[in-house]
Amino acid sequence: NAGVTQTPKFQVLKTGQSMTLQCAQDMNHNSMYWYRQDPGMGLRLIYYSASEGTTDKGEVPNGYNVSRLNKREFSLRLESAAPSQTSVYFCASSEALQRSTEAFFGQGTRLTVV
Amino acid sequence: KQEVTQIPAALSVPEGENLVLNCSFTDSAIYNLQWFRQDPGKGLTSLLLIQSSQREQTSGRLNASLDKSSGRSTLYIAASQPGDSATYLCAVRGPGGSYIPTFGRGTSLIVHP
Repeated sequence: NAGVTQTPKFQVLKTGQSMTLQCAQDMNHNSMYWYRQDPGMGLRLIYYSASEGTTDKGEVPNGYNVSRLNKREFSLRLESAAPSQTSVYFCASSEALQRSTEAFFGQGTRLTVV
Repeated sequence: KQEVTQIPAALSVPEGENLVLNCSFTDSAIYNLQWFRQDPGKGLTSLLLIQSSQREQTSGRLNASLDKSSGRSTLYIAASQPGDSATYLCAVRGPGGSYIPTFGRGTSLIVHP
């Protein structure tokens, strides 16, 4: 029972490089989310996808793009990485936005931009 | 906009103590509240989910209560152990946050032997 799987687990980028963080869930969930976690700031929502084919901005979307590739996969792309994007990124999923069920989280991607 | 606050931000206690962690939220129209545990450098592990219609949930030494009208939840940890050392996060879902999990900043707990 894999749940939510994120790749890679660790990444170091140089300023200006691009990369895509991958997320996949095997629970047939409709809704998926990307958060970033910074010391003292808690988890802040970057983007979310209420269902396949839809994406919406969260609290801190600048510098990021997302793709809901299919029901299972939701990727986060940094087009031109900046040191301010050094953070831990978490992907999560839930059954549906307006269904009151648990949210499940991946193990995180630890990204350092130098 | 939903805002979630967790108090205290940090807590250090000797083994065996009973603990109360607090979570408050500004919009009482919630669907549910979920408590998570996060070990250093790791992901989030779900501990308890309380639906808006429930008053409490229990799992082992953990008991979470919900008072929706006052916008508060508490996580009670009985007979704390060093293995309970972690950061505890609460998240609420409801129309005030567009049904998306909205997190507090967490309580960092250290239980020393």
